Amino acid sequence: GESVGLHLPTLSVQEGDNSIINCAYSNSASDYFIWYKQESGKGPQFIIDIRSNMDKRQGQRVTVLLNKTVKHLSLQIAATQPGDSAVYFCAENIPNNDMRFGAGTRLTVKP
Amino acid sequence: NAGVMQNPRHLVRRRGQEARLRCSPMKGHSHVYWYRQLPEEGLKFMVYLQKENIIDESGMPKERFSAEFPKEGPSILRIQQVVRGDSAAYFCASSTTVVGGGNQPQHFGDGTRLSIL
Repeated sequence: GESVGLHLPTLSVQEGDNSIINCAYSNSASDYFIWYKQESGKGPQFIIDIRSNMDKRQGQRVTVLLNKTVKHLSLQIAATQPGDSAVYFCAENIPNNDMRFGAGTRLTVKP
Repeated sequence: NAGVMQNPRHLVRRRGQEARLRCSPMKGHSHVYWYRQLPEEGLKFMVYLQKENIIDESGMPKERFSAEFPKEGPSILRIQQVVRGDSAAYFCASSTTVVGGGNQPQHFGDGTRLSIL
């Protein structure tokens, strides 16, 4: 769903720990999902995507999990680094519609 | 392969003036999307265009805002008679096919930050 103007939720982790960022999506018909990373002053950067016929997909240091039963998406970042500090958005594609973004989560990595 | 290019990066306008934001999609991309973002908030969809066609403008304010993606040249988001509430970051994204049909992600530019005095 779209942001409703609330302050971003924040996740703070220690460098080297694993991070898990969660997202609840809105439409059970959504068939494609993407995680984006947005650093200050920049546009969203594609991280990883997953189709609705999958429940897990792995990339380099990142894993996306999809639970269609509860309409939940998560992004796991292994061995979190200071460069991972950013705002993370999930996005869902609704068939015959457009991509819709979640409100975002700010990840802060403590050295 | 250059990414999505937006210009200007920063634009300052006085109330009542016009703002023109430009977006050149990635090479080979024929789908363009515009989003608006307020500080500490998510991206709000505005409009989806293909070459010479507006496909979905459901997120666009009915007045003062318009968008085009001509056969040649960049996509333009135009805001007429700007007001203070138009101050925001405006992001453009492009993709090769409709997301979900071709399962291709949208790639974003670094945005235009519009400030209204």
